[in-house]
Amino acid sequence: AQSVSQHNHHVILSEAASLELGCNYSYGGTVNLFWYVQYPGQHLQLLLKYFSGDPLVKGIKGFEAEFIKSKFSFNLRKPSVQWSDTAEYFCAVGYQKVTFGTGTKLQVIP
Amino acid sequence: KAGVTQTPRYLIKTRGQQVTLSCSPISGHRSVSWYQQTPGQGLQFLFEYFSETQRNKGNFPGRFSGRQFSNSRSEMNVSTLELGDSALYLCASSYEVTDTQYFGPGTRLTVL
Repeated sequence: AQSVSQHNHHVILSEAASLELGCNYSYGGTVNLFWYVQYPGQHLQLLLKYFSGDPLVKGIKGFEAEFIKSKFSFNLRKPSVQWSDTAEYFCAVGYQKVTFGTGTKLQVIP
Repeated sequence: KAGVTQTPRYLIKTRGQQVTLSCSPISGHRSVSWYQQTPGQGLQFLFEYFSETQRNKGNFPGRFSGRQFSNSRSEMNVSTLELGDSALYLCASSYEVTDTQYFGPGTRLTVL
């Protein structure tokens, strides 16, 4: 069975700090990987996705993620966070059935 | 292009009742997936429909069911509601389930 693990449940950063959110997955077949974000009071939105090709994926709002197959990881990064990045971030994996991680709440302090 | 719409946005029911939630996908999308989101369990996959057929199902009891119509609109039904069914129910649509899913705003169900 596929599973996703997000180790950081709650992260607090100051503006301009660098961000890295961990995501590890367990999946036996063709893997599609996603990061979604949920801003307060808003829908889940796709930040970025990996289906195949270059393992370094760039998404919206300056986010990027690196797929490391040998480590079963797909960590999310941003060099310099802003207050507006305060949100909950979800890693997800799957092909026909998508499994989400439990989410990481990011709080950015001005 | 209009996004995924879900109705109603909020619903309050009592234990034992049943409820039907509706989802209209983005025009052209044929795959509709449903998820339950709770603070304790996070986002959990319920089922996925494509061309009126349920193709994938999560680990939920038979009280949770769904269907999809020929215009790709989908409904999910929960019978004999329990307190633990209180959650945000999210619908997501895509051209194919293997493509990027676009989420609706959700229906907030409260069971009293």
